[in-house]
This record gives sequence, C-alpha cells and structure tokens, in this order.
Amino acid sequence: AQTVTQSQPEMSVQEAETVTLSCTYDTSESDYYLFWYKQPPSRQMILVIRQEAYKQQNATENRFSVNFQKAAKSFSLKISDSQLGDAAMYFCAYRVDMEYGNKLVFGAGTILRVKS
Amino acid sequence: DGGITQSPKYLFRKEGQNVTLSCEQNLNHDAMYWYRQDPGQGLRLIYYSQIVNDFQKGDIAEGYSVSREKKESFPLTVTSAQKNPTAFYLCASSIFGQGSYEQYFGPGTRLTVT
Repeated sequence: AQTVTQSQPEMSVQEAETVTLSCTYDTSESDYYLFWYKQPPSRQMILVIRQEAYKQQNATENRFSVNFQKAAKSFSLKISDSQLGDAAMYFCAYRVDMEYGNKLVFGAGTILRVKS
Repeated sequence: DGGITQSPKYLFRKEGQNVTLSCEQNLNHDAMYWYRQDPGQGLRLIYYSQIVNDFQKGDIAEGYSVSREKKESFPLTVTSAQKNPTAFYLCASSIFGQGSYEQYFGPGTRLTVT
C-alpha cells in the first residue's frame, strides 16, 4: 500500500528566510504524481506545487520549489523568502490510480510557523 | 466564479441521528471525492465518484453513504453507524483521466456530534 510520511510535525522560519519541508513516500509504481497542498487557518486546501514522476526536472512555482529524488522516494518542498502568509499546515500527497479512478494519499502534515 | 461549495460550515447533531453534508461544484468536473480530516492526521478518503450514478468506497467508508444523481452534486450522509463522526469533512473535485490533474477542495464542514 502506498504511504506518505512527513517526519516534521512542526517547523519555524524567520520571515524572508528559506525553509524545507520533508516528505517521503512508498510505492512500487514507476509513474505517478506528487503534490504539496497548503491549508491555512481558514482550512481551505490550496495546491502549492505538483510533480510528475517521469519528469527529472524539479518543479518550481515562484518562491516554491521541490527536490524530487525518485530513487530515494523523497519529495521535499522548499519555500524561499518566507512570508507571513506562508504560515499554514502543509500536506504532501501521492496520487494513486485505481480501477475506477484515482485518489490522493496524504501525509499527516507539517505546521509551518513564520516569525516576523 | 467557478468553485466548490459545502454547506453548512458548522453542523451540530445528537448522537444517533443521521446527517447529510452538501457538496456542489460548478467546475464541470466528472470526479468528486469526500475526505475526512482528524487532528494530527492527513486527509483520508471516504467515497469517490468518477461519473454520475456511480461511486466507490474509499479507505474509511464504514458508517457513511453517498449519492451522485447529478454531475454537480455529491452529498455525504453520516449515519448513526459511524462510531466517531466528529471531524472536519472536505469535498473535492477533479477532471477525470490520466495526467497531473489536481483536486480542487471546498471550504469544508465541521461536524460535531454529542
């Protein structure tokens, strides 16, 4: 069964600094998709970034980038120039394709606190 | 504006009562999902539906039921058989098919059963 592990329950970063959130996953598939979602205090889930496993190039979205290590099954999120609005719970997710569709398997989440 | 709406935002029920959570989307997505979120845990899939009049159990379907009579709507009923129903419930939708399609989430419903 696919599992997603986020080993850091909480992280803190100073405003304008860089922080990296860790994520590892377990799968026997060779082609799959990975996502990072952000859940601010409003509890609205927002997609931050996605990565296709067949692409070797790491995905980047403005201040957000990933370090995708396929062999190590690692998918960390780097947030550069951290802002107060980045404070949220961050979830790593792996997409599982099934016979009748697909689902996301989520990690337990990392709370990110941003200090001013 | 396209999006997903869930109502109500907060819901309170007495133990032993069934309760139905609403989820509507106007994104023209075929696939819809229900997840449950508990403190300290990630989201877990309850039910999902890829097309109208068809749905599948997720990882924690016991004590829940759904229907998909319209493409836009995917209501979730929390029955009295659900042993621990107090949780935050999130509905999502996506394009159905291969590709890195993201799931779009609604604002959620906080259900408290006492």
